[in-house]
Amino acid sequence: EAQVTQNPRYLITVTGKKLTVTCSQNMNHEYMSWYRQDPGLGLRQIYYSMNVEVTDKGDVPEGYKVSRKEKRNFPLILESPSPNQTSLYFCASRKGLEAFFGQGTRLTVV
Amino acid sequence: ILNVEQSPQSLHVQEGDSTNFTCSFPSSNFYALHWYRWETAKSPEALFVMTLNGDEKKKGRISATLNTKEGYSYLYIKGSQPEDSATYLCAFDPSNDYKLSFGAGTTVTVRA
Repeated sequence: EAQVTQNPRYLITVTGKKLTVTCSQNMNHEYMSWYRQDPGLGLRQIYYSMNVEVTDKGDVPEGYKVSRKEKRNFPLILESPSPNQTSLYFCASRKGLEAFFGQGTRLTVV
Repeated sequence: ILNVEQSPQSLHVQEGDSTNFTCSFPSSNFYALHWYRWETAKSPEALFVMTLNGDEKKKGRISATLNTKEGYSYLYIKGSQPEDSATYLCAFDPSNDYKLSFGAGTTVTVRA
């Protein structure tokens, strides 16, 4: 089954404690991206990757890092999380006109 | 960030009634318009991808139209059912660089 898998689904953490949200896809897609979703706002792109070792900033990259060492994985790293990064995060992969999303990671930073 | 607007933000529909809502997007540099259906705690699910002015797509009781010249798309739900309750997201695809700009969504609640 074609899918994008994110882990964890839910996470509560404290300010400043580094965390990583993993994302993996099994469709051999070159393009992957991370979004955050906040109430009243559309999904906003954080970072994207066009291929292995190729990443670039989206619209709201501050406070986040990513890496793309393998085609299937695209982890999102918060080096020093802050409360304003409390949000719902989605990973997506895409080929052509089709985009597939993970189930989301709800992150709370206290 | 490109301006993509959806209206209304939410609506309540009686079971069996039909409804529609709008996605507005920039009319220049159009490549595609995507509609997704998103239920809480699930992945957004692709409904339609529309690329041509005048496109009409249909999936069961849900259909969509596209006007690229004036920059809007309508999503229609005919004979709403409780299982249609979800947030419907549209995303503007301005060029083939894979970057989508999303609207904030229209949340539909169908009352039995």
